[in-house]
Amino acid sequence: GAVVSQHPSRVICKSGTSVKIECRSLDFQATTMFWYRQFPKKSLMLMATSNEGSKATYEQGVEKDKFLINHASLTLSTLTVTSAHPEDSSFYICSARPRWTKHYGYTFGSGTRLTVV
Amino acid sequence: AQSVTQLGSHVSVSEGALVLLRCNYSSSVPPYLFWYVQYPNQGLQLLLKYTSAATLVKGINGFEAEFKKSETSFHLTKPSAHMSDAAEYFCAVSDGGANNLFFGTGTRLTVIP
Repeated sequence: GAVVSQHPSRVICKSGTSVKIECRSLDFQATTMFWYRQFPKKSLMLMATSNEGSKATYEQGVEKDKFLINHASLTLSTLTVTSAHPEDSSFYICSARPRWTKHYGYTFGSGTRLTVV
Repeated sequence: AQSVTQLGSHVSVSEGALVLLRCNYSSSVPPYLFWYVQYPNQGLQLLLKYTSAATLVKGINGFEAEFKKSETSFHLTKPSAHMSDAAEYFCAVSDGGANNLFFGTGTRLTVIP
């Protein structure tokens, strides 16, 4: 149980375009999902906390107008990188936690490799 | 506030040798501790977690970790390394509430045949 699906796994886009990344909890409901960014050979940096039915909470230094997060249902959160630039190229990972337990643990998606050319 | 320190960004062991990856934490409340493994271009897979039950936690793939409050440590071990264990390992801490995980900087494990 507790499977998180992230799509796409890899995307290449042109500079100035927008890219949407989906994070779905397949077999549980998640009121909270997290979006991370991972730089090469670096740890995960939390970008934002996505809450179902409310606005996302962004970490300091993360542009909310640049990285749009929508958590419209208990099983889906999306991250849209708007007007992407080469410096946005990175590995993005989402995670989610079942709503029915305080701390079952966090399940991670398989990640999305974004390359902006 | 929580934080995690992983000593050694890169650890090399011979196949069949003991694996020891170090993790020390800082937490103002009783911590929840996790070890995750990441293979290239993939997400994170949970190896094991400590959530205030038994201090010796057994995980998948033969890994285990011991929570030592006096040492604020949660080191990951495996008696005998396998080639397939080569990956990046992350230690993480949470307060068990609604907050996210705080990750260490990761340790890359190389297994030498």
